[in-house]
Amino acid sequence: EDKVVQSPLSLVVHEGDTVTLNCSYEVTNFRSLLWYKQEKKAPTFLFMLTSSGIEKKSGRLSSILDKKELFSILNITATQTGDSAIYLCALSNSNSGYALNFGKGTSLLVTP
Amino acid sequence: DVKVTQSSRYLVKRTGEKVFLECVQDMDHENMFWYRQDPGLGLRLIYFSYDVKMKEKGDIPEGYSVSREKKERFSLILESASTNQTSMYLCASRLQGNSYEQYFGPGTRLTVT
Repeated sequence: EDKVVQSPLSLVVHEGDTVTLNCSYEVTNFRSLLWYKQEKKAPTFLFMLTSSGIEKKSGRLSSILDKKELFSILNITATQTGDSAIYLCALSNSNSGYALNFGKGTSLLVTP
Repeated sequence: DVKVTQSSRYLVKRTGEKVFLECVQDMDHENMFWYRQDPGLGLRLIYFSYDVKMKEKGDIPEGYSVSREKKERFSLILESASTNQTSMYLCASRLQGNSYEQYFGPGTRLTVT
């Protein structure tokens, strides 16, 4: 059975700090790993990773995938209070119409 | 911009009622999904649909059914609502092809009393 484990489950940091969120996985038929950000509404897409070692970057956020060690990290530099959210990691499962198999999420709180 | 809308943001129903949650997407996406989100459990897949009139069970289909009569609309039905179905329900859609990205609706927070 596919498994997605995120750590830590929650995190409190000060504005300006850098954070690293972790996602490890087990999967029988890897397609893609995705990161989403969820505030008090719908998850919004951040990154999709399919190849090892290639960093995806968007502003202060970046992510990388290691398919050998079966994990991904999401980095946020110079955090702001607007980064406070739940960050979700998900695997695309080709056995379920490419439904997403989500981890439990990391709840990030950035304090002023 | 892809838009996925859900019929209600908040809904309160009584135990035993039949409940319909509607989801509409405007980008001609083939694949549509229903998830529920609960604290400590994350998002879990209830049902999905490859295309019109097609439906498949996800990980937790018990107590639910779905309907997809038109490509843009995917309905989740709670045949007889129970208190353990109190949850946030999220609909998503995906364009068939090489991108695995899903677009989510705003969610419906359902309370069953």
